[in-house]
Amino acid sequence: TQLLEQSPQFLSIQEGENLTVYCNSSSVFSSLQWYRQEPGEGPVLLVTVVTGGEVKKLKRLTFQFGDARKDSSLHITAAQPGDTGLYLCAGGGSYNTDKLIFGTGTRLQVFP
Amino acid sequence: DTEVTQTPKHLVMGMTNKKSLKCEQHMGHRAMYWYKQKAKKPPELMFVYSYEKLSINESVPSRFSPECPNSSLLNLHLHALQPEDSALYLCASSQEPAVAGANVLTFGAGSRLTVL
Repeated sequence: TQLLEQSPQFLSIQEGENLTVYCNSSSVFSSLQWYRQEPGEGPVLLVTVVTGGEVKKLKRLTFQFGDARKDSSLHITAAQPGDTGLYLCAGGGSYNTDKLIFGTGTRLQVFP
Repeated sequence: DTEVTQTPKHLVMGMTNKKSLKCEQHMGHRAMYWYKQKAKKPPELMFVYSYEKLSINESVPSRFSPECPNSSLLNLHLHALQPEDSALYLCASSQEPAVAGANVLTFGAGSRLTVL
């Protein structure tokens, strides 16, 4: 069974602070995605990474896929209240890319 | 149209009722999914349809019955549910085959189910 553990589980910070969320597994994934989910909504894709060691930047968000394709990190610079939400990493199966497995989730609260 | 539409948004049902959740997309996606999400937990995969055929069933109890009438529609038929089945049910779709090896899902807003 492929499992994705995220840390921390909860993060409560002030506006302007930086933060990093980690997503770790003992399994190799064909791809790694990050989603953000707000209350009462479905998850919305932030980024997809497919190459080991890949780094992608989206404005204040930086995503990295580990060299061995078993882990990923999401770094947010100068967090804003609009960044509040549940952050989910999701791994594409090595044998079946239809089987997207979600991580345990990180709930972020950014206070003004 | 880049949306996945789910109906109803909220559903309350008794343990003896039969009801259905519906999902629709018009993005030409050929893979559709049902996920179940309990409060403060990540989504858990239930079923995957690929080209209108069931390709993955994650050992879901038979009181949940999926149906894919055509490439745009996905239903989840519910019968004899238990209170612990109360959750947010999310539908999603994706291109098939996956683009560049990455299966990117577009999610609906979900149907919040309460079983009394």
